[in-house]
Amino acid sequence: EAEVAQSPRYKITEKSQAVAFWCDPISGHATLYWYRQILGQGPELLVQFQDESVVDDSQLPKDRFSAERLKGVDSTLKIQPAELGDSAMYLCASSLDPMWAINTGELFFGEGSRLTVL
Amino acid sequence: AQKVTQAQTEISVVEKEDVTLDCVYETRDTTYYLFWYKQPPSGELVFLIRRNSFDEQNEISGRYSWNFQKSTSSFNFTITASQVVDSAVYFCALSALTQGGSEKLVFGKGMKLTVNP
Repeated sequence: EAEVAQSPRYKITEKSQAVAFWCDPISGHATLYWYRQILGQGPELLVQFQDESVVDDSQLPKDRFSAERLKGVDSTLKIQPAELGDSAMYLCASSLDPMWAINTGELFFGEGSRLTVL
Repeated sequence: AQKVTQAQTEISVVEKEDVTLDCVYETRDTTYYLFWYKQPPSGELVFLIRRNSFDEQNEISGRYSWNFQKSTSSFNFTITASQVVDSAVYFCALSALTQGGSEKLVFGKGMKLTVNP
């Protein structure tokens, strides 16, 4: 069964260091999301891509976070410099189309990358 | 703005007990979708159900059932005869449009269910 792949699963870093997360969506999925889930909270959208274009990054802290999906396939989320408050699970999700809730109801999540900033 | 409230943060039950997880949502959209996801300790979000705003029929799937009441903006989830494998964090979520005009999920804070043998 096709899956959304994420790496690393776990990352421990010191504050002020740079950290990067990688996501490979299900083949053919044009829509890709990065969500952040702080411990004890629900996931919150950071950024959404449609193919290689960012369609919503309104909740992305752009002073330290960046995201790219250069060829419209896999994606990288970077944090530089990391702060203590960035400790969270970073979840990647993908879907066939941007109106997935109406059309297919299918949004596929990866297992996430758990970041601890010391 | 859309909002999902899961008032219960943690519930602990004994195996075979029934348990209901509450979800209340806020939206001004006339068409929207409601979801429940399960998050086991491994971390991935597992889809359980999608319900559109025009379909208020209750749904049953095995030991799971869902009660959607538009009048009270609630979408509650019941697990009958709970099992240890049901232990997880459960999220209620609501579809919303992003700034780019596509869809995203707005999640509640989640409810941790522990089923003890």
